[in-house]
Amino acid sequence: DTGVSQDPRHKITKRGQNVTFRCDPISEHNRLYWYRQTLGQGPEFLTYFQNEAQLEKSRLLSDRFSAERPKGSFSTLEIQRTEQGDSAMYLCASSLDLEESSPLHFGNGTRLTVT
Amino acid sequence: AQTVTQSQPEMSVQEAETVTLSCTYDTSESDYYLFWYKQPPSRQMILVIRQEAYKQQNATENRFSVNFQKAAKSFSLKISDSQLGDAAMYFCAYRSGGAQKLVFGQGTRLTINP
Repeated sequence: DTGVSQDPRHKITKRGQNVTFRCDPISEHNRLYWYRQTLGQGPEFLTYFQNEAQLEKSRLLSDRFSAERPKGSFSTLEIQRTEQGDSAMYLCASSLDLEESSPLHFGNGTRLTVT
Repeated sequence: AQTVTQSQPEMSVQEAETVTLSCTYDTSESDYYLFWYKQPPSRQMILVIRQEAYKQQNATENRFSVNFQKAAKSFSLKISDSQLGDAAMYFCAYRSGGAQKLVFGQGTRLTINP
């Protein structure tokens, strides 16, 4: 169990550019989540996958955001035409659906800075 | 929509002492789960303790325990015998039964004084 892995750890981009983040969940976990965390705040839910199916999306996930989990393993989160307001820590988490209260296992996050 | 409120942005405690972090939530649901997560500086968030709303008994994990007051919609975390490694941001979180989305509070930064 190597934990949830996110790449890159940090990303600096200019406004208007596209960025893509990758998340590798714990191998046997079938659920995968993306959250966004701004400085001094708690994480906010963005989207959730069960295997390869994207089952829930937050209203925070505008048309510029897209997430995929093509084979039910790793996931990517793409932000098109980045804006300064997109600057945040993007957290990925995974869990196993053995029980209702299964805990989420978080990665270290990708910190995005849009200049 | 459910909301989670942590009214203490910062707390500090002397090493080996006990500290209680507050959390209140707002929901009209009867089936839900509550969690406390710890986020150390520059490290990943980890689960500290969880409570099922249908259980009347307060959850306990070693030095960590909760005071779950369902009628008051309160879910406080007590840390006994505080250690330097307990220093972190602590987030209270809510999840509806059958749903997957976690709703987090704003967090409480806990400092442990040696």
